[in-house]
Amino acid sequence: DAGITQSPRYKITETGRQVTLMCHQTWSHSYMFWYRQDLGHGLRLIYYSAAADITDKGEVPDGYVVSRSKTENFPLTLESATRSQTSVYFCASSPDRNTEAFFGQGTRLTVV
Amino acid sequence: GENVEQHPSTLSVQEGDSAVIKCTYSDSASNYFPWYKQELGKRPQLIIDIRSNVGEKKDQRIAVTLNKTAKHFSLHITETQPEDSAVYFCAANYIPTFGRGTSLIVHP
Repeated sequence: DAGITQSPRYKITETGRQVTLMCHQTWSHSYMFWYRQDLGHGLRLIYYSAAADITDKGEVPDGYVVSRSKTENFPLTLESATRSQTSVYFCASSPDRNTEAFFGQGTRLTVV
Repeated sequence: GENVEQHPSTLSVQEGDSAVIKCTYSDSASNYFPWYKQELGKRPQLIIDIRSNVGEKKDQRIAVTLNKTAKHFSLHITETQPEDSAVYFCAANYIPTFGRGTSLIVHP
């Protein structure tokens, strides 16, 4: 299917475990983003990528790692999950600077 | 980096009334200002955007205005309907920095 998809949709993990959230887009968009959404904080940027093999930190990068070896994939890894990382995570992509961002369905992550 | 402030956090109106949401930004280099609507349990989706070479843009019942000198932009929704109830986010910058969102409630 064309578009941007995230997996899994829901995830429960234990404190200290490593977990990876997947993001795949079929448009060959250059830019990809990871946001977390928490009540009262809106959407906060974790990491972004302007192209394959180019990534940069956003507002809240601590505890997260990203990679982008292929244009279409942008996985987000929590190296050692903490309860404060319980959130809804959205991946997004856009074709260029200053253009619409298209969001995935989101992943609801709970760290217990 | 960019900082975006959005007000109000909650807005309650009667069906048919107008709604206005305001945002300010800090980086004078920003030149793209999108607005996203997020319905409950869904992903954010673009409803309208404006670029810095334009002062106002309209699309049916929604409009956005931009004042670059004052670094603020606003979303206007006229003749509100219950299906307009959602959270609205403004954003600025080519790497989108979002405001904290406005929960719009339209009462029938």
